[in-house]
Amino acid sequence: DIQLTQSPSFLSASVGDRVTITCRASHDISSFLAWYQQKPGQAPSLLIYAASTLQSGVPSRFSGSGSGTDFTLTISSLQPEDFATYYCQQLNSYPRTFGQGTKVDIK
Amino acid sequence: QVQLVQSGAEVRKPGSSVKIVCTASGGTLSDSTISWVRQAPGQGLEWVGQINALFGSTKYAQRFEGRLTLRTDASTSDMYLSGLRSDDTAVYYCARAGYCSGTNCYWPGFDIWGQGTLVTVSS
Repeated sequence: DIQLTQSPSFLSASVGDRVTITCRASHDISSFLAWYQQKPGQAPSLLIYAASTLQSGVPSRFSGSGSGTDFTLTISSLQPEDFATYYCQQLNSYPRTFGQGTKVDIK
Repeated sequence: QVQLVQSGAEVRKPGSSVKIVCTASGGTLSDSTISWVRQAPGQGLEWVGQINALFGSTKYAQRFEGRLTLRTDASTSDMYLSGLRSDDTAVYYCARAGYCSGTNCYWPGFDIWGQGTLVTVSS
């Protein structure tokens, strides 16, 4: 199975901050990576797929980059509604594994 | 656009089985691949398995092999999990993992999710 390791697991930030979350895969997954946002009590929501393609309706302050084993999710200017937990997921092979999550909290 | 609506919360005893239904609203599942993901209380996301409605093919996470059955038709997708244990307590989500339009198929991540179904396994 492909393991995904996110860092950090928790980060505290302020509104307006630039936030970067990384996801490292245990094997080469090309660009088969997606990012999700999950708020408490809600289902996850797709932000980015194919490593860097913004899902329709997602604000442009979200961006993704990377290929192979190293990936990044960036929020250019954190907004109050962005405080949530973020997960990466690989879609290269089965099982479709997720990272352990990164919780973004208010500083 | 299609929405996914799941059946309600379930309480089961250890060793029993549970069935969760995921219903398409505003569209069809006949051209879709549906994945199931679960989330134990306070924990992360775990992929359970998927079914491709076009071909009827399934993929299951190894830890659920022998206990999990996925089925689908044009309007609903079902997840059946047997031999329940206390550590199966979780919110279970269905999600669209891919779809086909005409002769083209797309795999844009899990782009549509159900609202989740809490399954509690307790004696």
